[in-house]
Amino acid sequence: IAGITQAPTSQILAAGRRMTLRCTQDMRHNAMYWYRQDLGLGLRLIHYSNTAGTTGKGEVPDGYSVSRANTDDFPLTLASAVPSQTSVYFCASSDSYRQGVYNEQFFGPGTRLTVL
Amino acid sequence: DAKTTQPPSMDCAEGRAANLPCNHSTISGNEYVYWYRQIHSQGPQYIIHGLKNNETNEMASLIITEDRKSSTLILPHATLRDTAVYYCIVRSRGGGADGLTFGKGTHLIIQP
Repeated sequence: IAGITQAPTSQILAAGRRMTLRCTQDMRHNAMYWYRQDLGLGLRLIHYSNTAGTTGKGEVPDGYSVSRANTDDFPLTLASAVPSQTSVYFCASSDSYRQGVYNEQFFGPGTRLTVL
Repeated sequence: DAKTTQPPSMDCAEGRAANLPCNHSTISGNEYVYWYRQIHSQGPQYIIHGLKNNETNEMASLIITEDRKSSTLILPHATLRDTAVYYCIVRSRGGGADGLTFGKGTHLIIQP
């Protein structure tokens, strides 16, 4: 693995189903993020994690949950998917502790999710 | 975070320099200017950032005006692969791990 990986690449999901999007990074970055991107809109932050064991809410957290059990993994869970959660989801990470910055983020390739 | 204004789209001929403007008139003293780009269907990619001095790396140059109210990202020899949406973001450097605010950016189209 090099950088950030996301799985699955794409998924079609029935409304009401539970879904977990996976994100793994091998750069030992302390901070990780989940964004969603909808047509005509910029990326919007869903949840973030400053370090393993801590998480925070972003701009659009409703309907989503995250966990950060270790440095490398940051899964995003949709407990009961709804059609409005159809979007492209991007995971990102940054190394803030070493550089003192949070804003040079590395992004994964994205997961395209369709909820029917 | 300061708000930024970018043109929605721009064209540039292949091999020429692409100059992408960004206005950030409300920028405060501790805020940096960051540039990212997003090639179609890919995740955003960090390009460069700066505070007040001009910056250059292997991807681009960043020119910030003396009053810091605007900046220009320069791709010196644009190629077709530089076609992407370019985002200008203003934020304090230690702004916390609470994510970036992406606007709509500038869709740069490199013409052959």
